[in-house]
Amino acid sequence: KQEVTQIPAALSVPEGENLVLNCSFTDSAIYNLQWFRQDPGKGLTSLLLIQSSQREQTSGRLNASLDKSSGRSTLYIAASQPGDSATYLCAVRPGRNYGQNFVFGPGTRLSVLP
Amino acid sequence: DTEVTQTPKHLVMGMTNKKSLKCEQHMGHRAMYWYKQKAKKPPELMFVYSYEKLSINESVPSRFSPECPNSSLLNLHLHALQPEDSALYLCASSREEGTGELFFGEGSRLTVL
Repeated sequence: KQEVTQIPAALSVPEGENLVLNCSFTDSAIYNLQWFRQDPGKGLTSLLLIQSSQREQTSGRLNASLDKSSGRSTLYIAASQPGDSATYLCAVRPGRNYGQNFVFGPGTRLSVLP
Repeated sequence: DTEVTQTPKHLVMGMTNKKSLKCEQHMGHRAMYWYKQKAKKPPELMFVYSYEKLSINESVPSRFSPECPNSSLLNLHLHALQPEDSALYLCASSREEGTGELFFGEGSRLTVL
């Protein structure tokens, strides 16, 4: 059964720093991996989707990488801003069991201080 | 348009009430999902509809009753809920079940008194 963890659970950084959020999964046979952000009390906003055949995806100041063999993905945020403060979740769609839907990590709560 | 719309945004109900949550998408997606999210936890899958047929029911109590009237609409009927059912209920959609990017709505915050 696929399990997803995220480290750290919480992170506080000063504005302007570059930072890395980590996502680990136990079964390397994945279909794709998606990163989301969630503001308090709101829904999840899709940030980046990486297919299993891809190594990375970029959108603006965000870059997500995928290393299936080691069961890891990282989300790199460049030049962080206070507006980046949110909870970031990664979700893995398993490949082995086609019927299994996205498995979510617990999230990293990010605070960017002005 | 990559929008999933949920109504109402907030709902307060007593344990004997009957209410419904609604979800709509116009992206042509054929898979729609209901998730439940408690504070500081990731979303938990409740139901999946694929091509308007119930595909997955994650052992959800019968006081939650999903309905998919057509490919754009998804409802969640609520009856005789318990206070522990208070949570953020999220609707999502994807091109097909098991593939593609997942898009979420803003959620319906439910409080059961």
